[in-house]
Amino acid sequence: DIQMTQSPSTLSASVGDRVTITCRASQSISSWLAWYQQKPGKAPKLLIYKASSLESGVPSRFSGSGSGTEFTLTISSLQPDDFATYYCQQYNSYSFLTFGGGTKVEIK
Amino acid sequence: QVQLQESGPGLVKPSETLSLTCTVSGGSISSYYWSWIRQPPGKGLEWIGYIYYSGSTNYNPSLKSRVTISVDTSKNQFSLKLSSVTAADTAVYYCARSLPDIVVVVGPFDYWGQGTLVTVSS
Repeated sequence: DIQMTQSPSTLSASVGDRVTITCRASQSISSWLAWYQQKPGKAPKLLIYKASSLESGVPSRFSGSGSGTEFTLTISSLQPDDFATYYCQQYNSYSFLTFGGGTKVEIK
Repeated sequence: QVQLQESGPGLVKPSETLSLTCTVSGGSISSYYWSWIRQPPGKGLEWIGYIYYSGSTNYNPSLKSRVTISVDTSKNQFSLKLSSVTAADTAVYYCARSLPDIVVVVGPFDYWGQGTLVTVSS
């Protein structure tokens, strides 16, 4: 199975900050990576797919980059609505889809 | 707008079978992959398995011996059965949709249900 490791697990930031979250895969997954945002009590929401493609309706302050085993999600200017938990997910291996452990973005 | 809604018992006894149904509205169940994903309280996401509308399935190896996912295209529904449950199966269970991909077979999860909490307790 392909293991996904996110860092940090918790991040404290202020409104307006540039925020970067890292996701590492245990083996190459090309660009087959998605990012999700989850708020308390809600289902995850797809933000980014294929490592860097923005899902329709998602603000342009969100961006994704990377390929192979290392990926990043960047929020260019953190907004109050962005305080949430973020998960990466690989879909390179169709037989076993896996998520990272999550990164909680908290108010500093 | 596609909507997914999970339904089923919120309380299941240890050793029994957890059964949930996901009803898809606003679109057809055909031509997509349909997954079950769970999240224990305060923890991360775990993919349980998926089914293609045609009936082919793939399951998380760690749960494969206890999981069955089925589809009923006439009702626009798919279902999850998880047998021999324990307290470790207590979680919010989500259903979700994926588009097929010609390269990697199944794409990311673009639509999700709101989730339903299932507690395993006697």
